[in-house]
Amino acid sequence: NAGVTQTPKFRVLKTGQSMTLLCAQDMNHEYMYWYRQDPGMGLRLIHYSVGEGTTAKGEVPDGYNVSRLKKQNFLLGLESAAPSQTSVYFCASSYSSELAGWYNEQFFGPGTRLTVL
Amino acid sequence: RKEVEQDPGPFNVPEGATVAFNCTYSNSASQSFFWYRQDCRKEPKLLMSVYSSGNEDGRFTAQLNRASQYISLLIRDSKLSDSATYLCVVNGLSGGYQKVTFGIGTKLQVIP
Repeated sequence: NAGVTQTPKFRVLKTGQSMTLLCAQDMNHEYMYWYRQDPGMGLRLIHYSVGEGTTAKGEVPDGYNVSRLKKQNFLLGLESAAPSQTSVYFCASSYSSELAGWYNEQFFGPGTRLTVL
Repeated sequence: RKEVEQDPGPFNVPEGATVAFNCTYSNSASQSFFWYRQDCRKEPKLLMSVYSSGNEDGRFTAQLNRASQYISLLIRDSKLSDSATYLCVVNGLSGGYQKVTFGIGTKLQVIP
């Protein structure tokens, strides 16, 4: 099992460009998440999904869109990149709360390092 | 006040030392608690869950104090390989779904 994979691993964008980050998991998890991690800020939730076809906003959703067309994939889009979106992006997945209860471990992908110039 | 607060450190300790980290949380209705470990430029990974009765896994002991709203992680006989950032994680209910909140992490450097 590959677990959680993310593509690409690195990317440099110019201001105003768009891109899509892909997250895939092979653990049949219901829940998937996108976080960004910045120095001194910790992990902050951008968007999340509790099942195929559903998405919801997290703590810092502005400037991002997501889609969960298939259970195993969760896409994060930047429509018009800004320097403030320079960050490390982590995708994670977990079992549903119905299945795992409150002790619900999140499994993370290796991250995407994005620089916006 | 942040929902989950940690001292970012760094904590520089010699090999073999015992080191303890604390983490405080603001939501008294929080349901579950965890410690994750994050190595430099890597993804976070679950280290251990924290149970009300306290729990131990080898050299690692986690404690929960609901009354004071803090959790702790104790590492005994520190190894060089323990050098990492330790993230405190709190799980509670928000908007009908589980909300997982991460602390900023405490950096540990074990020195030879």
